[in-house]
Amino acid sequence: NAGVTQTPKFRILKIGQSMTLQCTQDMNHNYMYWYRQDPGMGLKLIYYSVGAGITDKGEVPNGYNVSRSTTEDFPLRLELAAPSQTSVYFCASRTGTGRTGELFFGEGSRLTVL
Amino acid sequence: AQRVTQPEKLLSVFKGAPVELKCNYSYSGSPELFWYVQYSRQRLQLLLRHISRESIKGFTADLNKGETSFHLKKPFAQEEDSAMYYCALDRRGKLIFGQGTELSVKP
Repeated sequence: NAGVTQTPKFRILKIGQSMTLQCTQDMNHNYMYWYRQDPGMGLKLIYYSVGAGITDKGEVPNGYNVSRSTTEDFPLRLELAAPSQTSVYFCASRTGTGRTGELFFGEGSRLTVL
Repeated sequence: AQRVTQPEKLLSVFKGAPVELKCNYSYSGSPELFWYVQYSRQRLQLLLRHISRESIKGFTADLNKGETSFHLKKPFAQEEDSAMYYCALDRRGKLIFGQGTELSVKP
């Protein structure tokens, strides 16, 4: 199993451009998450999904959109990129919550907005 | 509001010294708490979860509901323990992370 796969690994965007970060998992997990990691700020939850067709906002959703049309895929869309969105983005998935809820992470996507 | 606080950004110790990484939480229900670790150039991964009361790589963490804490401890730090550590709270499907503590173990 590949686990959680994110693409691209690196990207430089100009202010105002748009892009999609791709995330796919092959573990048949119901729950999927997008986090951003900023130095000294830890991991902030952007959006999450508890199953295909269901998404919900996390702590910092502004400037982002997601969709979950299949169990495997959970793309993150950035519209009108801003310098404040420069960060490392992590996608993660898990099969359940609570005691069963080990989160499996992707390798991360480093995005720079200039 | 439910949140997780890790008060130390950086913790530096010498090899063989005891380590305690602090984590405090605020949550109105019964918390499900975890510690995740990110070694250099590796993915974030689960270190341990409070419900299993396990010891992984010599680390333990006890949930103290009175003090709303879930501190991570190890009696004798090793150089390979150097990493970024995150405390996390499962809030009905949302996994909320603290700010992280960078542990540096010096030889």
